[in-house]
Amino acid sequence: GAGVSQSPSNKVTEKGKDVELRCDPISGHTALYWYRQSLGQGLEFLIYFQGNSAPDKSGLPSDRFSAERTGGSVSTLTIQRTQQEDSAVYLCASSPHPETQYFGPGTRLLVL
Amino acid sequence: QKEVEQNSGPLSVPEGAIASLNCTYSDRVSQSFFWYRQYSGKSPELIMSIYSNGDKEDGRFTAQLNKASQYVSLLIRDSQPSDSATYLCAVNGNTGNQFYFGTGTSLTVIP
Repeated sequence: GAGVSQSPSNKVTEKGKDVELRCDPISGHTALYWYRQSLGQGLEFLIYFQGNSAPDKSGLPSDRFSAERTGGSVSTLTIQRTQQEDSAVYLCASSPHPETQYFGPGTRLLVL
Repeated sequence: QKEVEQNSGPLSVPEGAIASLNCTYSDRVSQSFFWYRQYSGKSPELIMSIYSNGDKEDGRFTAQLNKASQYVSLLIRDSQPSDSATYLCAVNGNTGNQFYFGTGTSLTVIP
């Protein structure tokens, strides 16, 4: 079946602009995670959604970052007033339960 | 102190040898431990999970967990060139929701 998809696959933006990154999880998966991976670094947890529960936003690095998940399915990660240090690969993962995560291909964000 | 520490490598082993990858974690209440493989330019894929002390074997892969020492390892037997990748160790946080990833160990299997 279809895996996790993310769009766009690549995004180049100018410093100060807002960007929206989209994640389409595997159908039926109730859990959804966003991570950030900088060059040569491990995955940095950003936010976690589980069903209709309030999201765990404890990993968001600043108030410029926000995410929502509509209808328990598609999720959008928004970065406002982008900075050069926001350049990274943003990965989304979905899971039928918290233990097993299936990752999407990621969005490579470059802030000039 | 980082939650999860891994030797970044690179680790090189000849084809057919055993590759040993190590990981330590700081949170004693962690209960779930995972190894992911990430090929260059690709997203991580889960290869092993382990929850109890001891060894867990799956094909050529063996995960080893020692909660007292806060140590988890991955052994790859009969290493193949296709095993060349970065291996990420992940540990769940005390809320059960967060997963902390190490920076990964780069493995190269030399034909």
